[in-house]
Parts: sequence; C-alpha cells; structure tokens
Amino acid sequence: DTEVTQTPKHLVMGMTNKKSLKCEQHMGHRAMYWYKQKAKKPPELMFVYSYEKLSINESVPSRFSPECPNSSLLNLHLHALQPEDSALYLCASSQLRVKGADTQYFGPGTRLTVL
Amino acid sequence: AQSVTQLGSHVSVSEGALVLLRCNYSSSVPPYLFWYVQYPNQGLQLLLKYTSAATLVKGINGFEAEFKKSETSFHLTKPSAHMSDAAEYFCAVSELITGGGNKLTFGTGTQLKVEL
Repeated sequence: DTEVTQTPKHLVMGMTNKKSLKCEQHMGHRAMYWYKQKAKKPPELMFVYSYEKLSINESVPSRFSPECPNSSLLNLHLHALQPEDSALYLCASSQLRVKGADTQYFGPGTRLTVL
Repeated sequence: AQSVTQLGSHVSVSEGALVLLRCNYSSSVPPYLFWYVQYPNQGLQLLLKYTSAATLVKGINGFEAEFKKSETSFHLTKPSAHMSDAAEYFCAVSELITGGGNKLTFGTGTQLKVEL
C-alpha cells in the first residue's frame, strides 16, 4: 500500500478562523512533508518531520503550525490566514533509507481557499 | 544549492508520437533526480528516479529517462503518446536534509497536451 491520505479535500475558511489539515500514511515511513502549491506552479517545501521531530522549516509564517503526533500522522494547523495562502496543500512521506534518494509519496492534497 | 530547469512550459504532441520533455540540472555533486506527473486536482505520482545505479532509467506507463552527465540532462521520453498522458510533468532534484529526510526542488513544470 503506497497511499497517503489527506483530509479534507476542500476547505474554505475566513481570515479569523482556525482550521487543521490532516495527513496519514501507513507505509511505515519515518519522514513526512508539507508542500504548498499555487496554481500553475511547482510544489514548494514548507516543513519536514523526521522521526516525529521537525527537521526543517522553510521560513514559513507562524500562522502555519505543523504537528506530528506519531509516525503515521501529520497535521497542519492554520490560524489567521491571508487570501494569498489559498493553494493546494500537499502532504508526502518517505522512508529514511537511502540518503537523499528516498521516494516521496504524495497525497491528493487539500484545496484551501481563504476568504 | 541544486536546481533543475525544465525547457518548455507547454509541449503538444499527436497521439502516437514521441514524447520528449526536457530537464537540465545544476549540481556540484552527483544528483538524485526524479520525474513526477500530476493530473488535474491530484497529487504527484512518481514516474521514475535516477540514483546513479544506471544511466537509463525505466519508469511506469512506458516512460524512461537517460542521465547524461556531459550534458547535465535528464530528459523524459516515451515512444508513443497516449491521450491519458496529458498532464503536468515535474522534474526534481533531491538533497539530503541534515536533520533527516530529503528536500525536493522542482522545476517549473511542463504541461503535456496530446492531440488526436
């Protein structure tokens, strides 16, 4: 099973709302990732977790707060977002076997619209 | 930092024709290179990857890519295009993250259109 699931598929929120995106994988992967993808653009890395610890934060604004409660689950908490944060948010996971060469498996994404 | 450049943001081919999507990389060390495909409103799916084991890499759905160090290229090809190949294709280079995991840096993407 090479599936990464993400919920919800679509999310519309106001600038004062608090919401969360959820990502789950059951492949035994120990690295998990959040990417942001604007329309007609490539994905951009936001956060990486390795063994449930934050490995990298690509200078993401604090209104995005990641959380990795366990090795299978990754959340992205959203608060006070701006309309320019509207995008497709992709989650991915990978093993930690071959340095730099592990395949990342992507979920279908959450389409976020901030009003 | 490593990077990839995809030449041609849009490529159009006839069904049954050769598909050639171009990707050039910039790296001071032997790179790990990937090709991903993205269908509308979906996530990314791995087509193939280069990890220095063999220069000609075969992937899913009849795609393959050849790593050419002398040309710093990793172009994606398919002998005969099918309508179902219409999608966005991303070339990416991967770097190890010190704290664990790897960072994918994507090219700007190539939209492939297949015409009857």
